[in-house]
Amino acid sequence: AQSVTQPDIHITVSEGASLELRCNYSYGATPYLFWYVQSPGQGLQLLLKYFSGDTLVQGIKGFEAEFKRSQSSFNLRKPSVHWSDAAEYFCAVAGTNFGNEKLTFGTGTRLTIIP
Amino acid sequence: DTEVTQTPKHLVMGMTNKKSLKCEQHMGHRAMYWYKQKAKKPPELMFVYSYEKLSINESVPSRFSPECPNSSLLNLHLHALQPEDSALYLCASSHTGTSNYYEQYFGPGTRLTVT
Repeated sequence: AQSVTQPDIHITVSEGASLELRCNYSYGATPYLFWYVQSPGQGLQLLLKYFSGDTLVQGIKGFEAEFKRSQSSFNLRKPSVHWSDAAEYFCAVAGTNFGNEKLTFGTGTRLTIIP
Repeated sequence: DTEVTQTPKHLVMGMTNKKSLKCEQHMGHRAMYWYKQKAKKPPELMFVYSYEKLSINESVPSRFSPECPNSSLLNLHLHALQPEDSALYLCASSHTGTSNYYEQYFGPGTRLTVT
């Protein structure tokens, strides 16, 4: 069964500073990997995804993530955060077996931005 | 139109009431999902519909009854709920196909309170 771990429950970053949110996954083969963001009181929005190929993927809102098979990681990065990036971030993993249409979410990392 | 709409936004119901949550999308997606999200937790999958047929039921109690009357609509009928069922209920949709299932578009959710 697939699983995902987000080690950081809460991260505080100054506006304009760089950001890295950590995500580690467990799956027997190469998984599908995702980052979703949830603003307060809202649904989730897909930031970026990795299926195969180039291990550095670009997403919306200036985010990128790097798939590292050797470390079973898929960390999310942004070079300069904006106050509007304050939100909950969920890493998610999915199996590559057809018929298993299930995303498994991590427990989330809450991002606070300070001026 | 890349929007998933959910009504109502908020719902307060007693334990003996019957109510329904509604979800609608017009993106041509043929897979639709119900998730339950408790405060400070990740979304938990409840049901998946694919081509208007129930394909996944994550052992959800029978007091939750999903319905997919057509490819654009998804309902969740609620009956005899318990206070612990209070949560944010999220609807999502996606295209079908192995990787497409996981690129999900979420609605803003219905905040349900059971008294």
